[in-house]
Amino acid sequence: DGGITQSPKYLFRKEGQNVTLSCEQNLNHDAMYWYRQDPGQGLRLIYYSQIVNDFQKGDIAEGYSVSREKKESFPLTVTSAQKNPTAFYLCASSIMAGAEQYFGPGTRLTVT
Amino acid sequence: SQQGEEDPQALSIQEGENATMNCSYKTSINNLQWYRQNSGRGLVHLILIRSNEREKHSGRLRVTLDTSKKSSSLLITASRAADTASYFCAILHTGANSKLTFGKGITLSVRP
Repeated sequence: DGGITQSPKYLFRKEGQNVTLSCEQNLNHDAMYWYRQDPGQGLRLIYYSQIVNDFQKGDIAEGYSVSREKKESFPLTVTSAQKNPTAFYLCASSIMAGAEQYFGPGTRLTVT
Repeated sequence: SQQGEEDPQALSIQEGENATMNCSYKTSINNLQWYRQNSGRGLVHLILIRSNEREKHSGRLRVTLDTSKKSSSLLITASRAADTASYFCAILHTGANSKLTFGKGITLSVRP
């Protein structure tokens, strides 16, 4: 099956710990994205990458970091500097920037 | 804000009725996209309409774009209970460096 996968589905962490969310795609897409969704809110862009070994900050990058060492993988690290990390995190990819995006199933992160 | 604004925020209709959802924006766009999200899941792309297009169809979905009024509408005809979901418009603004901006979404409930 072609698609985009995120793991785990649910993640629990203690405050002060860094945590890495996985995102993998086998669609051969160049562009990948990370969004955060809070209850009753739309999606807010954290980071995006248009090509391997390159990425740009989105609207709410503070407290997050990413890497894009392989075309199919775009992991997101939520650092202890992120003040309110509890949220639903969505990864997406597109064949090129600006095209329709394909989303993973999401990871719900809870930090206590 | 470059965020699209959807209207209404919530819509409840009877199965078989049509559902119309609207999205307005403020600056010029390259394209506008509609997505659906079932509760707790990732988003699914529905339709992309480019700035030089006025109408597109996909099955029971019809999207219109009026660039003079800076607005778009999504019409779902003959709605089904399975259409119950949140619907988002996402805008690729001109010169946006390929970043999509999502609205806060419309919650559609279709009563059987």
